[in-house]
Amino acid sequence: NAGVTQTPKFRILKIGQSMTLQCTQDMNHNYMYWYRQDPGMGLKLIYYSVGAGITDKGEVPNGYNVSRSTTEDFPLRLELAAPSQTSVYFCASSYSSQGMGNTIYFGEGSWLTVV
Amino acid sequence: ILNVEQSPQSLHVQEGDSTNFTCSFPSSNFYALHWYRWETAKSPEALFVMTLNGDEKKKGRISATLNTKEGYSYLYIKGSQPEDSATYLCALVNQAGTALIFGKGTTLSVSS
Repeated sequence: NAGVTQTPKFRILKIGQSMTLQCTQDMNHNYMYWYRQDPGMGLKLIYYSVGAGITDKGEVPNGYNVSRSTTEDFPLRLELAAPSQTSVYFCASSYSSQGMGNTIYFGEGSWLTVV
Repeated sequence: ILNVEQSPQSLHVQEGDSTNFTCSFPSSNFYALHWYRWETAKSPEALFVMTLNGDEKKKGRISATLNTKEGYSYLYIKGSQPEDSATYLCALVNQAGTALIFGKGTTLSVSS
């Protein structure tokens, strides 16, 4: 199993450009997540999904959109990139609800710079 | 808003020292607490998932305890080694029980 795979690993965007961070998992996990990590701030939840066709906002959803058309894929879209979206983005997945104590598996991260 | 506090923010120890960090959280609506180890340029790696008050978990030289009534968890590292250098993240399940809310982490540096 490849686990959680996210692309691209590095990207530089100009202000106002759009892009999609791709995320796919091959573990048949129901739950998927997008986090961003800023220096000194820890991981902040952007959006999450509890299954195909269902998404919900996390702590910092503004400026982002997601979709979950399949169990495997959970892309994150930035419509109008802003410098404040310069960050490291992590996609993650888990089999079931965190309330049941399930481990989250993370991708390797995507470094995004908006200039 | 669920607030997860970790202390200290950073820590520097010598090889062979034992150390511990704290994760504090609201004791109400507790579902589960996770500890992750995060090395630079790698993805966070799960250490422990703790769900019950009084839980104690151990993996090699690393162990963790949980007190849900008073709202804290300790992570202990016995005989620190340079390869233990990493950021240790604590996370709690949100009130909907659907996602993890992370603390800012404790960054450990171990010198040989």
